[in-house]
Amino acid sequence: GENVEQHPSTLSVQEGDSAVIKCTYSDSASNYFPWYKQELGKGPQLIIDIRSNVGEKKDQRIAVTLNKTAKHFSLHITETQPEDSAVYFCARSTGGTSYGKLTFGQGTILTVHP
Amino acid sequence: DTAVSQTPKYLVTQMGNDKSIKCEQNLGHDTMYWYKQDSKKFLKIMFSYNNKELIINETVPNRFSPKSPDKAHLNLHINSLELGDSAVYFCASSQETAGGGEQYFGPGTRLTVT
Repeated sequence: GENVEQHPSTLSVQEGDSAVIKCTYSDSASNYFPWYKQELGKGPQLIIDIRSNVGEKKDQRIAVTLNKTAKHFSLHITETQPEDSAVYFCARSTGGTSYGKLTFGQGTILTVHP
Repeated sequence: DTAVSQTPKYLVTQMGNDKSIKCEQNLGHDTMYWYKQDSKKFLKIMFSYNNKELIINETVPNRFSPKSPDKAHLNLHINSLELGDSAVYFCASSQETAGGGEQYFGPGTRLTVT
């Protein structure tokens, strides 16, 4: 199906440590994998995305890896800062006739302690 | 300038009432969405419109009726409100859908049904 499993549900790290959030999906037709960050009282905001023809993508302290064979993808945040504290969501879609329909993971509450 | 705006931000109403939430985007996007985020933060798509045409209609009770007067607006009308409708409702928009693309979310409308 279209479900996405996200782990862990909560993650607590010290400032400067790395944080890793993992997601698995079941639909092998999935070809687009975005990550969204949601701060308290705000809407989700895209922080990085990856397409199925790419294995890894990096943007400053944030990186995403995709393993199509195993059907999982991960978000890596290095040198975490207190302002990274938020809820993070992975998602997937198949594009094409799905017209951008995103299926989200359950979310991970990340807390970075100063 | 706000890219995706929603009104109202908070909505408190009694069971059985009818209410509307309005959404506007000034990004020139062709596709707009409504999402529901429950108390556990789970985000689920409800509807999607592309150029004023309904293209995604998830299993949502028919008490929910979206209306798109033009491609910059997507409103959500809810009839006969129930306790279980309490949630945060997010509007979003995107330009590219065929290959997946960034969705821009509004700030959300917190609906509380008493």
